Amino acid sequence: ETGVTQTPRHLVMGMTNKKSLKCEQHLGHNAMYWYKQSAKKPLELMFVYSLEERVENNSVPSRFSPECPNSSHLFLHLHTLQPEDSALYLCASSQGPGTSGAGTDTQYFGPGTRLTVL
Amino acid sequence: AQSVTQLGSHVSVSEGALVLLRCNYSSSVPPYLFWYVQYPNQGLQLLLKYTTGATLVKGINGFEAEFKKSETSFHLTKPSAHMSDAAEYFCAVSNSGYALNFGKGTSLLVTP
Repeated sequence: ETGVTQTPRHLVMGMTNKKSLKCEQHLGHNAMYWYKQSAKKPLELMFVYSLEERVENNSVPSRFSPECPNSSHLFLHLHTLQPEDSALYLCASSQGPGTSGAGTDTQYFGPGTRLTVL
Repeated sequence: AQSVTQLGSHVSVSEGALVLLRCNYSSSVPPYLFWYVQYPNQGLQLLLKYTTGATLVKGINGFEAEFKKSETSFHLTKPSAHMSDAAEYFCAVSNSGYALNFGKGTSLLVTP
């Protein structure tokens, strides 16, 4: 496989369930990201990992818990979610960190997981 | 803090017509600017980006954008639309950090 893959592609869960989203990148990158894409809202950056360390956490509720066991894999653990958490969750990766600066990095996105919380 | 505003949530053009998608940014430092495209049921794909240097940036699929500091704009253009260009287009801005701040997106419809 190439690029950035995400599993599952679709997920329906109740508010009391616990589930995990998985992201894997095959690009040899050092930075990975979780974004939330809701209808009629800009993409929201949730978490950033660089060299397996969390470098950004944008005030995300604790019911979302990221995990980055190595530079190729990123998980988003979900528990006691709310219906308003229903969205498309996108994973991305980029080369960073590097001398060119993280801000110039191209981010490569996976196809996303469509999450529905009932 | 940086932000972008995309004017027009929906744009419709005829096949063969000029495509113009507007993006204005706000940034207190020299920005890095990006255009991404999202086709149905897919993730985002980079079309082009401006970091430094030449202000006219050429991207994939015949798209280009011009960085105009005086107008704080980074509009995306393509001389002749194809049916396959129908998608959602996102403008984004960053500085030296990891965060990309995206606009709300513009949905491009191409009619025969």
